[in-house]
This record gives sequence, structure tokens and C-alpha cells, in this order.
Amino acid sequence: QQQVKQSPQSLIVQKGGISIINCAYENTAFDYFPWYQQFPGKGPALLIAIRPDVSEKKEGRFTISFNKSAKQFSLHIMDSQPGDSATYFCAAQPYNNNDMRFGAGTRLTVKP
Amino acid sequence: NAGVMQNPRHLVRRRGQEARLRCSPMKGHSHVYWYRQLPEEGLKFMVYLQKENIIDESGMPKERFSAEFPKEGPSILRIQQVVRGDSAAYFCASSPPGQGSREQFFGPGTRLTVL
Repeated sequence: QQQVKQSPQSLIVQKGGISIINCAYENTAFDYFPWYQQFPGKGPALLIAIRPDVSEKKEGRFTISFNKSAKQFSLHIMDSQPGDSATYFCAAQPYNNNDMRFGAGTRLTVKP
Repeated sequence: NAGVMQNPRHLVRRRGQEARLRCSPMKGHSHVYWYRQLPEEGLKFMVYLQKENIIDESGMPKERFSAEFPKEGPSILRIQQVVRGDSAAYFCASSPPGQGSREQFFGPGTRLTVL
């Protein structure tokens, strides 16, 4: 039932570098694409979200890029910091119900 | 304004016992979702409930698992006759009524260990 494919599975970035995580989907009914951040032992927390009527959304160091025709979206973390080390999940939700489908997650490690 | 509450945070059961996981949504939220997270894996949707109604249980295993969200009190995820494969973190999320807000707010999870 993997409706959202996420890559890479793990990512190591140096402090100050750019972290890029990619997701792809098939279901054209999806119209809401959030990214969640999860620290060990905690529940996921919403980081940033985008709808398909825009191609990019930026909040501080976090940017979502969205390509509707390719059915792909990605998270960019600029100036990555050790405190960004966490697991990141992309997700997608269809317009006609509240079900959310999550990617498998990317474990990000930012080295000082 | 308290967030989503889940209890217990950790639950240990022996094979064959029952596990009851509780979730209190955020104040004013009437939609509850349950997810299961296996080690090193993503979140798998299990069930979506509104007060007194199961809206979508397409992710629930056909046997031993059930969920409810009564008019009063928390949502309950019940696992009967647990097996070792049920060991996982179970997360509850809630969202407000209506279609305006799409965000789901997650609780801290219940980590179930089956011995």
C-alpha cells in the first residue's frame, strides 16, 4: 500500500550544507503534501506543507519544491544544523477524504 | 491548550493478552487517526474515526484489532491476543472538524512490546 515513495532512506550532511529529500506519488487525487519531522521517542510534528497550486513554498531554512506534472515533491533544508538531525517523512492526502499516506522516512544526520 | 495525549507511553504484554491504547485528541478536535510505526519504518495508516463513527478502517488488520471513539472519553485502539509482530509504536493524531485545516497533530505515541 506504498502510495508515496521517499528517498533516500538515510542522509548525512555536513553542517551548513543543503539536505535534499525527495518524494514521488501516483494518486492524482492527492492535493495536500506535508512534511513531518520526528525526533527519537517523539511523535511526528508538521514542518511545512504545500498544495499543488504552487511550485514552491519557503519557511525559514525549509523549502518545498513541487512538480505536479512529474508527481514529485522535495524538501530542501538550507544551512543544515546538527539540531536538524531527525527522521523526516513526506506525506500526501487526497482532496476527498482525510486519509494521510506517509513515505517510509529519511533519517538525516547533520555532522558538526 | 494541551496537545494530543496518549497513554500509556509504554506497554508490555505477553503473547495472548489484550492491549488497550488510549488517545485524547486536542481540545475541539473531532477527527482521530491511528497509525502504526514499526522500527526503522514509516507510519502506516490504520483507522480514521469521528465521534461514534469509523470513517475508514482500510488499514486495520482484519482480525484482533478494533478501534472506537465514543461520544465521551478517549479513542481506544484495542488489540486482542497480541503476538510478537504487534510490537511497534502506535501513534494517534487528531484534526479539527471540517475541511479547512488539513494538519494532523500527533501524540507522543504508545510503544507496545509483546514478550
